[in-house]
Amino acid sequence: GAVVSQHPSWVICKSGTSVKIECRSLDFQATTMFWYRQFPKQSLMLMATSNEGSKATYEQGVEKDKFLINHASLTLSTLTVTSAHPEDSSFYICSASLLALSYNEQFFGPGTRLTVL
Amino acid sequence: GQNIDQPTEMTATEGAIVQINCTYQTSGFNGLFWYQQHAGEAPTFLSYNVLDGLEEKGRFSSFLSRSKGYSYLLLKELQMKDSASYLCAVLDSNYQLIWGAGTKLIIKP
Repeated sequence: GAVVSQHPSWVICKSGTSVKIECRSLDFQATTMFWYRQFPKQSLMLMATSNEGSKATYEQGVEKDKFLINHASLTLSTLTVTSAHPEDSSFYICSASLLALSYNEQFFGPGTRLTVL
Repeated sequence: GQNIDQPTEMTATEGAIVQINCTYQTSGFNGLFWYQQHAGEAPTFLSYNVLDGLEEKGRFSSFLSRSKGYSYLLLKELQMKDSASYLCAVLDSNYQLIWGAGTKLIIKP
């Protein structure tokens, strides 16, 4: 149980285009989903926390107009990288939590590798 | 500020035992996680500690001392597939995960 999927697994796009990444909780309802970015040989960096039906909470330094997050249902959250640039190339990982669990374990999706040319 | 420290890289031999340490300073504490992350993949859950002591799960064990702000992950009977990064993360008072930079573990035959 507690499976999280991401789509696409990898994407290559031209500079200036927008890319949408989907994160789905397949067998549970996730009230809260998290979006992370990870550059090579670095740890996970939390970008934003999204709760179903409300606006995402962005971490300091993350541009909310550039990284649009929508959490329309309890099983789906999307991250749209608008006007992507080469410096946005990274590994984007989502996770979802079951708030019913006392310790709020996060279940991670497989990640999306974005390369902006 | 909030801070989690763990060694950048460790090397061990196949079949041996290795201990990866993690020290933390966070605003509040609601538990400590260890995750394993293979290159190019997302992290996978290994363990969760919220009470002091040792939790054993097969070849992997995790220890916590809240008074010392210290945890370690112990890996026994190392296998080549254990080569990965091991991430320590603390759940703070706001239930936000604070991540360490990860320890890259290299297993040699």
